[in-house]
Amino acid sequence: SQTIHQWPATLVQPVGSPLSLECTVEGTSNPNLYWYRQAAGRGLQLLFYSVGIGQISSEVPQNLSASRPQDRQFILSSKKLLLSDSGFYLCAWSWANYEQYFGPGTRLTVT
Amino acid sequence: ELKVEQNPLFLSMQEGKNYTIYCNYSTTSDRLYWYRQDPGKSLESLFVLLSNGAVKQEGRLMASLDTKARLSTLHITAAVHDLSATYFCAVDNDMRFGAGTRLTVKP
Repeated sequence: SQTIHQWPATLVQPVGSPLSLECTVEGTSNPNLYWYRQAAGRGLQLLFYSVGIGQISSEVPQNLSASRPQDRQFILSSKKLLLSDSGFYLCAWSWANYEQYFGPGTRLTVT
Repeated sequence: ELKVEQNPLFLSMQEGKNYTIYCNYSTTSDRLYWYRQDPGKSLESLFVLLSNGAVKQEGRLMASLDTKARLSTLHITAAVHDLSATYFCAVDNDMRFGAGTRLTVKP
């Protein structure tokens, strides 16, 4: 069966510090991978998606970036965090454009 | 640009009552998904609707899809407290999510 992991689970970072969130998927090959951000009490905002190694599509301009160095690894990064980057970050995988399976999430607080 | 609108955004209902959540979307799509999110948790897949007229049921929840009307509904029958959560619909095109419907079921 497939599982998806995210870490860390929670993170408190000062403004201007770097960020690296990691997502890995087990039990499947060549999945589509996604990063979403959810602000408190709000819906999901798609940040990045990837259909293969090194292939990243960005949905919104921001100070975040994503990379997919391996087939089942997806990394979200920032060089300098802003207060507005606070939120709940969710990684998800799917086969093609079918239903997505979400990881447990990372709760980021930028202070 | 694809827009996905859910209503209501907030729903407070009594146990035992029935209600429907609506999901409208602005461009053609043959696939629609419903997810549940408990407070502080991740999203859990509920239903996958793959064609016009599709209907899926699980327990007290039933989802349907009308691709011609660009509308999906999530019907709640005889609500119980355990159904309290936020429900999201998502449309196949680029997996756009609605804003979510926060459901509270009161005894």
